[in-house]
Amino acid sequence: DAGITQSPRYKITETGRQVTLMCHQTWSHSYMFWYRQDLGHGLRLIYYSAAADITDKGEVPDGYVVSRSKTENFPLTLESATRSQTSVYFCASSEQGDTQYFGPGTRLTVL
Amino acid sequence: QQQVKQSPQSLIVQKGGISIINCAYENTAFDYFPWYQQFPGKGPALLIAIRPDVSEKKEGRFTISFNKSAKQFSLHIMDSQPGDSATYFCAASKGDDKIIFGKGTRLHILP
Repeated sequence: DAGITQSPRYKITETGRQVTLMCHQTWSHSYMFWYRQDLGHGLRLIYYSAAADITDKGEVPDGYVVSRSKTENFPLTLESATRSQTSVYFCASSEQGDTQYFGPGTRLTVL
Repeated sequence: QQQVKQSPQSLIVQKGGISIINCAYENTAFDYFPWYQQFPGKGPALLIAIRPDVSEKKEGRFTISFNKSAKQFSLHIMDSQPGDSATYFCAASKGDDKIIFGKGTRLHILP
């Protein structure tokens, strides 16, 4: 189906483990984004990408790594998960930087 | 200067009433002001957006009012319905493809 998908939808991991969250879009949008959503903080930008092989930091990049070797994929890796990274993670894509289309989210719990 | 301040944090409105959510910004370079709607367990979705060359935009029961001199904009939901119960985010961007989100308003419409 066309659109933007995220996997897994739910993930429980332990402190110190590496975790990768996947994001895939079928529109060939140039821009992709990763946000985390926490109560009281709204949506905070972690990383974004303007095109394949181009990435840039957002508001809260520490502890996260991204890559974008293909236009349609934008994985987010937590290199060594911490409890403070327990959150709901949203991926989004955009063609021209105005309207962003969000995925369904990944709920991550770090024990 | 990059912040978008949103109020109130939560709002309860009777069915049929008017819901009003306000946002303020500092950066005069912002030129795109979208509102996103998020239902529980879902990703945010664009509801309505405005550019600063107009003072108002209406789509059905949803209206954005924009005051450029005051650097404020608001969302009005007329004849509010229980199905409008959701979290609403205002946002702003200045063409470099990052959107700055407000912290969100949890709206509950009483049946």
